[in-house]
Amino acid sequence: AQKVTQAQTEISVVEKEDVTLDCVYETRDTTYYLFWYKQPPSGELVFLIRRNSFDEQNEISGRYSWNFQKSTSSFNFTITASQVVDSAVYFCALTKPNTGFQKLVFGTGTRLLVSP
Amino acid sequence: DGGITQSPKYLFRKEGQNVTLSCEQNLNHDAMYWYRQDPGQGLRLIYYSQIVNDFQKGDIAEGYSVSREKKESFPLTVTSAQKNPTAFYLCASTGTGPQPQHFGDGTRLSIL
Repeated sequence: AQKVTQAQTEISVVEKEDVTLDCVYETRDTTYYLFWYKQPPSGELVFLIRRNSFDEQNEISGRYSWNFQKSTSSFNFTITASQVVDSAVYFCALTKPNTGFQKLVFGTGTRLLVSP
Repeated sequence: DGGITQSPKYLFRKEGQNVTLSCEQNLNHDAMYWYRQDPGQGLRLIYYSQIVNDFQKGDIAEGYSVSREKKESFPLTVTSAQKNPTAFYLCASTGTGPQPQHFGDGTRLSIL
């Protein structure tokens, strides 16, 4: 069975601080995909990144970076110099490859509060 | 712009009443999904559909029903059999392969 654990329920930081959101996953599949989504107060989920299990390169996109480590089954997300607009709930999710259908297993989310 | 439209944004249900949540997409995606989100929990899959006229139960399908008569549309009916319907409902769609799912803005359902 697949499982995603986001142990941090809520994190509060002050603007310009760096913050890391943890994601630990469990799967027996050798091939799988990991995702991060952002859910702002408006409610929709916004896709941030997808990583496949064969690509352990870390990725940086502006103030966002992701650290994928298969050895520890983790896919952590770091926001550098956080801003108030980063306040949202962030979800990590896992799926195995399947043409035509994608069953995402979500973590319970981490609520990030960035205060000015 | 291509996207997913969910309506209404807020919905109230009386005891014993069925209500239908609308989900329309113009992304030409084959697969569509319905999720339920409760406070402090992740999203849980209710139903999904890979093609028109075909759909499958997800993890928490009891008390819900769906139809997929058109590629663009995947309405969800919350029946009176669903005893705890108060939640935030999200619709999503995806194309072929492990593409990221695109989500609508959600419908918040409450009991009167």
